[in-house]
Amino acid sequence: DAGVIQSPRHEVTEMGQEVTLRCKPISGHDYLFWYRQTMMRGLELLIYFNNNVPIDDSGMPEDRFSAKMPNASFSTLKIQPSEPRDSAVYFCASSLLGTHEQYFGPGTRLTVT
Amino acid sequence: AQSVAQPEDQVNVAEGNPLTVKCTYSVSGNPYLFWYVQYPNRGLQFLLKYITGDNLVKGSYGFEAEFNKSQTSFHLKKPSALVSDSALYFCAVRASGNTPLVFGKGTRLSVIA
Repeated sequence: DAGVIQSPRHEVTEMGQEVTLRCKPISGHDYLFWYRQTMMRGLELLIYFNNNVPIDDSGMPEDRFSAKMPNASFSTLKIQPSEPRDSAVYFCASSLLGTHEQYFGPGTRLTVT
Repeated sequence: AQSVAQPEDQVNVAEGNPLTVKCTYSVSGNPYLFWYVQYPNRGLQFLLKYITGDNLVKGSYGFEAEFNKSQTSFHLKKPSALVSDSALYFCAVRASGNTPLVFGKGTRLSVIA
């Protein structure tokens, strides 16, 4: 298996623009997680899905952030409009019920200027 | 609510010496405990986990961790450090069930030749 795939790996955009981050989980996994990592706040859970259904989005910082999982093999995290304070590395992870550990993608480094 | 504390931001150790990265946790009920490692510009990689059974858990790359219920600790150890072990290490906990992982802030390990 190729592992969790994220695209793009790097994104540079201007303040006010829409940003879409993409994730393909490991085939067969039924949980998908979106995290944000910054030096100041460490690793934060933004939202997670079970069987494509959002379970907890309490970590989503504000309404500018939205996430979808239209099917078992694809998820998006969208920021509209983006702001400089959104600059961070965004990770997607997936897991299978009963196996406990999560498998992380390589991350998307977002820079908003 | 569960939480994880990694009291050291940075740990320095000489190559060949034993290393310990500390972690304490707080959770209701029996904990599921994990260690992850992050190399520069990479996602988190699973190292080892404690679910039940022996308190000493062995994982990848020669790492091990000891679960201590009375001290609510799960310290990561390795008998002989390598320069290539230099990375960011995260401890994580979840309560039993399907709750997501809660990560500590991470400890940067530097192994000096």
